[in-house]
Amino acid sequence: KAGVTQTPRYLIKTRGQQVTLSCSPISGHRSVSWYQQTPGQGLQFLFEYFSETQRNKGNFPGRFSGRQFSNSRSEMNVSTLELGDSALYLCASSQDMNTEAFFGQGTRLTVV
Amino acid sequence: AQSVTQLGSHVSVSEGALVLLRCNYSSSVPPYLFWYVQYPNQGLQLLLKYTTGATLVKGINGFEAEFKKSETSFHLTKPSAHMSDAAEYFCAVRRYSTLTFGKGTMLLVSP
Repeated sequence: KAGVTQTPRYLIKTRGQQVTLSCSPISGHRSVSWYQQTPGQGLQFLFEYFSETQRNKGNFPGRFSGRQFSNSRSEMNVSTLELGDSALYLCASSQDMNTEAFFGQGTRLTVV
Repeated sequence: AQSVTQLGSHVSVSEGALVLLRCNYSSSVPPYLFWYVQYPNQGLQLLLKYTTGATLVKGINGFEAEFKKSETSFHLTKPSAHMSDAAEYFCAVRRYSTLTFGKGTMLLVSP
């Protein structure tokens, strides 16, 4: 069974631009979550989607958004990038709530 | 609200020595607990999980963890460290769709 696939692996953007990251979950998993990892703040929950609906959202500004498609693939978008958005963005898939989550390799975003 | 505390941002052991990484949690409901490992420039790999049932949980690569409700702890152990165990380890508690992570413990293994 293929694991969680995130694309691209690395991204460099300029302040003020926007970016879209993609995540393909494990086949059969309907829940996709996104996390931001930085040296200062650690791993922080962004949001979770299940069957195309956002079920839960973390404490991030509205510049961070996401969506999920009917095939469970998910995208997250960050608009008006700031230097502080530089981070490793991790996607996790699971069958449902309170089950184990499996993570992708992450997308390393650098904002310059 | 859930929270996770990992004692020690860095732990150093010699190859062949016991590995003990500490994790304490707070949870308002019976917890679902996990340990993940992260190698440089990689995502998180699930080591083991506790949901219900047996309190001693065995995971991959020889790791195990014991859930102690009275101590609100879920410490990770491995009897004999290997050089390939050098990585960062994260303890997490899950409630519904959210994982709350500790700050991580970097395990250093010396020959």
